Amino acid sequence: KQEVTQIPAALSVPEGENLVLNCSFTDSAIYNLQWFRQDPGKGLTSLLLIQSSQREQTSGRLNASLDKSSGRSTLYIAASQPGDSATYLCAVRRADSNYQLIWGAGTKLIIKP
Amino acid sequence: NAGVTQTPKFRILKIGQSMTLQCTQDMNHNYMYWYRQDPGMGLKLIYYSVGAGITDKGEVPNGYNVSRSTTEDFPLRLELAAPSQTSVYFCASSHPPGQGLPEAFFGQGTRLTVV
Repeated sequence: KQEVTQIPAALSVPEGENLVLNCSFTDSAIYNLQWFRQDPGKGLTSLLLIQSSQREQTSGRLNASLDKSSGRSTLYIAASQPGDSATYLCAVRRADSNYQLIWGAGTKLIIKP
Repeated sequence: NAGVTQTPKFRILKIGQSMTLQCTQDMNHNYMYWYRQDPGMGLKLIYYSVGAGITDKGEVPNGYNVSRSTTEDFPLRLELAAPSQTSVYFCASSHPPGQGLPEAFFGQGTRLTVV
């Protein structure tokens, strides 16, 4: 059974720091992995999607990497800003049933001014 | 472009009452999903649909029903609401893998409290 874990559950860093959020999954048979941002009281916004054949994706100050063999993905945020404060969730789409996303519980990120 | 629209945003139900959460998308996505998110937890799949007229159960379907009469709409019905159904509900849609962009798009959520 696929399980997705995100560590740490919460992270607080000063503005300007570079930081890494971690996501691990137990079954390497994935179709893709997606990182989302969730702001309080709002929906989820897709940040980056990595197909199983890819190693990384970049968007602005965000870089996501994928190592399927070790069951890990990281989300790197460069030069963090207070506006980056949110909960970040990762989800893997299983390769054997193409409808279902399996979700981590998220990392709550606080960027201190 | 509205994307995925959910209504209502908030609702308080009494135990035993029923309600329907509405979800509509304008991206012509075949796949639609309903999730619930409990505090501090990841999202759990309730029901999903791969096209009009086709629905199937996810991880946590008990106490819920869905229908998919059109590509655009995917309502979630709660019958006999229970306190355990207090949660935030998200509707999402996507193209099937291999057809168009594979990202999932989400509505803003419905915060439901059952008292």
